[in-house]
This record gives sequence, structure tokens and C-alpha cells, in this order.
Amino acid sequence: QKEVEQDPGPLSVPEGAIVSLNCTYSNSAFQYFMWYRQYSRKGPELLMYTYSSGNKEDGRFTAQVDKSSKYISLFIRDSQPSDSATYLCAMSGASGGSYIPTFGRGTSLIVHP
Amino acid sequence: GAGVSQSPSNKVTEKGKDVELRCDPISGHTALYWYRQRLGQGLEFLIYFQGNSAPDKSGLPSDRFSAERTGESVSTLTIQRTQQEDSAVYLCASSLGQGLIGELFFGEGSRLTVL
Repeated sequence: QKEVEQDPGPLSVPEGAIVSLNCTYSNSAFQYFMWYRQYSRKGPELLMYTYSSGNKEDGRFTAQVDKSSKYISLFIRDSQPSDSATYLCAMSGASGGSYIPTFGRGTSLIVHP
Repeated sequence: GAGVSQSPSNKVTEKGKDVELRCDPISGHTALYWYRQRLGQGLEFLIYFQGNSAPDKSGLPSDRFSAERTGESVSTLTIQRTQQEDSAVYLCASSLGQGLIGELFFGEGSRLTVL
């Protein structure tokens, strides 16, 4: 079992839909939870990060962390074609003093007009 | 430039040849990371530098892989005697520090194809 599991998709939705992207993990030491967005042939860029459990909202994006279930989510409201990309969850925690992020395999999102 | 720069952007090589991939991090970023992304897969951690030291090399898949960093700046990832399974996009990232969550800034990657 991988430390971080993420459904690769693709997930295809119409413009304006609410999108839900999810990851599960097995390492209880993870404390920081991140979502990166990667456009085709580009490097990933950080969208949001949260510390421990709870919700965080930034514009159309909401990140949720449930440490008791080892489950994190990213919600995108009013999705746009420009949101079409691969979304990677990542998480890190103190391991020998290191916080090197562990990434999921990414979910490919397609928002069609 | 303001971002992380990687070269070459594309490299096609024959099995058995050596390749060098270069990363120029954002100026002032002390932490530097190399990840590998195979087609349809997530980012696989290879190695991390803090300054010029590599406290964590645990992700290097074999002794054919090595990396160095000089001047707390440029890093080179070297793959010797390349194999077809080495074909992937090699991503470099830098951040201001380690020990706290620091945003990783990624380059666009070096796409390696081993024939």
C-alpha cells in the first residue's frame, strides 16, 4: 500500500460544476497537507496548504483535512475550463527532522464548456 | 530568471549512455529537491539538499543515480548507464527552508527518453 492514494481519473465535469478531489493516506505522522496543480508539460504549483485537521477556503477552492479518517479533500466551486489540469495532493510531517513532501499520483480534471 | 530553471527541457539518449540534468533554483532558496514523474504516476522523491549537503538520498533508485549541488545554487543530477525504465520527467524544486512547511517552487522539468 502506498503512503498516499489518489484516484488518477480522469474526472470530466461541465463548466460551473462543483468538483471534489480526494486523497487518503496511511502515515499518522503527516501534519501538513497540500494541493498542487499541474498543467500539461509544466511543473506543479502550490494551490493551498493546511496544517492538521480542519477547513481552509481561498476563493473558489476549499481544502478539508480529516486526520481521524486520514482523508483530505479539495473542492472547486463554479469550475472553469481553465481549471483543467492534474491536481496532486501532497503531505509531510516530521520524520527525522525532515518535512519532505510525499505526493499522490494526481487526479486529471477536465472541465468542458 | 525569477523561477526555477531546468535544462535540458528534453533529452533523448540511447540505453547505456550517461546523462546530466541541471537545475538552477530560485536565488536564496536553501533547500533543493529532485523528483521523478513517470507517465501517469505521481512524483517520486529522489534526493534533497539543504545548502550543499544532501541529508536525504533515500529516494535514489540505484547507484547509477547521483546528484550534487555547488555554491548553494546549481544542482546536477547524473544518471549513468541509462536504462529504458529511467525514462521520465525529472522535476527540480526549491524552497526557502526546511523544517517548516515551505512552498516548493518547481521547474518545468527535464523530459528524458531512453531508447
